[in-house]
Parts: sequence; C-alpha cells; structure tokens
Amino acid sequence: NAGVTQTPKFRVLKTGQSMTLLCAQDMNHEYMYWYRQDPGMGLRLIHYSVGEGTTAKGEVPDGYNVSRLKKQNFLLGLESAAPSQTSVYFCASSYEGRSTDTQYFGPGTRLTVL
Amino acid sequence: GQQVMQIPQYQHVQEGEDFTTYCNSSTTLSNIQWYKQRPGGHPVFLIQLVKSGEVKKQKRLTFQFGEAKKNSSLHITATQTTDVGTYFCAAAEGSWGKLQFGAGTQVVVTP
Repeated sequence: NAGVTQTPKFRVLKTGQSMTLLCAQDMNHEYMYWYRQDPGMGLRLIHYSVGEGTTAKGEVPDGYNVSRLKKQNFLLGLESAAPSQTSVYFCASSYEGRSTDTQYFGPGTRLTVL
Repeated sequence: GQQVMQIPQYQHVQEGEDFTTYCNSSTTLSNIQWYKQRPGGHPVFLIQLVKSGEVKKQKRLTFQFGEAKKNSSLHITATQTTDVGTYFCAAAEGSWGKLQFGAGTQVVVTP
C-alpha cells in the first residue's frame, strides 16, 4: 500500500498562473481533506470531501477549487495563483468522517508563488 | 467556534531533559488526537484520547486528557534527538466534527 500520495512535490508558479495538485489514496477511505500549512499557523483546512462526487468548504476555501470524481483521487485547483498561496499543501484521508478516525497524510506539496 | 491553542509554540530542550506541551480549548471536546511532524515531513498520528482524565503512554511519551475534556498535555521524559519535530494536537467537539488542529509545538533538541 502506498497510502496517500501527492503530485507534484514542488512547484513554482508566477502570479496569475493556474495549477492542479493531485492527491491519491489506496486505502478505500471515504473522506479526503486538503490542508495548507504556514509557519506558526498549524494546519488549516481548505476543502474536504465526504465521498465521491461530494465536496465542502473548510476554514480557508477562498482562491481554491476541488473535485472528487473518483473515490481514490482528490484534486485541488488554483485558478489564479497569488503570493499569499505560497505554502505547503497536505492532503489527508480518513476511513469515515468520525472525529475519532485517524487522518493519514500525504508527503506534501511545496508551492511557491512569485 | 472551537479554537485549539497550543503552548508553547517553540521548545528548546537539552538532551535528557523532560518537557511538557499543552493543548487548550475553550469548549468541551469529544476527543483529542496528537500528531508528530518531523522536519521536512508530514504529520503522523501518535495517539488518541477519548475519556475524561485518560492517560496513555508510548515509551517516553505520556499523554493526558483533562478531567473537563477541555485540555490535554504531552510530556516527554529524557528527551532524545529523535524527538525533534513539531507536535500537533487536533480536537473535535462532536462525534462527526471536523478536527481542528492547533498551531503546534516545535521541539528542538540540543545534544
């Protein structure tokens, strides 16, 4: 089992460019999450998905869109990147959405927007 | 809404010393989880606390959930260089609530 994988690992964008981050999990988990991590801010939830075809907003959704066309994949899109979106992005998954479910994190994508 | 505060934000420890990091909430929590993130790595689940006053140990790490279920602590005994990293607590108010992560305690160990 690969667990949770993320593509790409690093990316540099110019302001206004767009990109898509891919997250894949092979654990048959229902719930998937996208977080961003900034120094001193911990992990902030951007969007999450409770199952194939369903997504919902998290704590900091502005400037991002997501899609979950297949159960194992969760995509995070930046339509027009801004320097404020420079961050480390982590995808996570959990079996269900219970607060007691462990979240399994991917290795992260380090994004710099110039 | 629920907020989870972690203190201290930064902890510099001499190898062999003990230290404690705290996680506090203004609301009653249903459960709390602790994660560790090594430098350059991703968060990895350590443990979960569910019951009031619960204490769990993992080798040199002792986790405690407060009696009122509003706070938690992580105590590390005889710190080693392998303990370097950032420790996050994550908590929820209800059974199906989303986890709220604290800002983390970054631990640096000096040999």
